[in-house]
Amino acid sequence: QKEVEQDPGPLSVPEGAIVSLNCTYSNSAFQYFMWYRQYSRKGPELLMYTYSSGNKEDGRFTAQVDKSSKYISLFIRDSQPSDSATYLCAMSGDNYGQNFVFGPGTRLSVLP
Amino acid sequence: DVKVTQSSRYLVKRTGEKVFLECVQDMDHENMFWYRQDPGLGLRLIYFSYDVKMKEKGDIPEGYSVSREKKERFSLILESASTNQTSMYLCASSSTGTGQETQYFGPGTRLLVL
Repeated sequence: QKEVEQDPGPLSVPEGAIVSLNCTYSNSAFQYFMWYRQYSRKGPELLMYTYSSGNKEDGRFTAQVDKSSKYISLFIRDSQPSDSATYLCAMSGDNYGQNFVFGPGTRLSVLP
Repeated sequence: DVKVTQSSRYLVKRTGEKVFLECVQDMDHENMFWYRQDPGLGLRLIYFSYDVKMKEKGDIPEGYSVSREKKERFSLILESASTNQTSMYLCASSSTGTGQETQYFGPGTRLLVL
C-alpha cells in the first residue's frame, strides 16, 4: 500500500461546479497537510496549509482534514477554467519543512 | 516572496553525457531538495540537503549526485545520463522551525536524454 493515495483523474467538470479532491494516507504520524497546484509544465505552488484535523477556508478553496479516517479533501467552489491544473496533496509528521510525502496528483479540467 | 530558480527549463542531452542541473533560492532556506516527477509516479525524492556541504539520499539516488557548496545553491549531477533519466526535475527549498514550514518549488527542468 502506498503511503499516500490520490485518484489520478482526469476529472472534468463544468465551469461553476463544486470540485472535491481527496487523498487518503496510512501514516497516523502525519500532522501537517498541504495542497499544491501545478499548472502544465510548471512547478507546484502551495495552495493550502493545514495542521491537524479541521477545516480551513481561503476564498473559493476549503481544505478539510479528518485524521481519524486518514482522509483529506480540497473543495473548490465556483470552479473556473483557470483552476484547470494538477492538484497534489502533501503531508508531513513534523514542522521542519522536511520529510514530505506527496500524493501522485489529480488532474482537473474545468470546462467553460 | 520566495523565489526558487532553476538554470534551464528544457535540456536535451545524449546518453553518457554528464549533466548539471542548478537550483538557486533567495530566501536563506536551510533545506533544499531535488525531485523527479514522472506521469503516474508523482514526485520522488532524489537527494536533499539540510545544510551547506551536507547531503542525504532520498528514495531514488542511483545515477545521481549532488553538491551544495553555498547555502543558496544546490546542484544535481547526472554522472552518465541514460534514457530512463528523461523526466521533469524539480528543485524545492524550505526553512526549518520558524512556523508553518512548507516546500517552495522552482519551475522545473524538463530533461530529454536521447
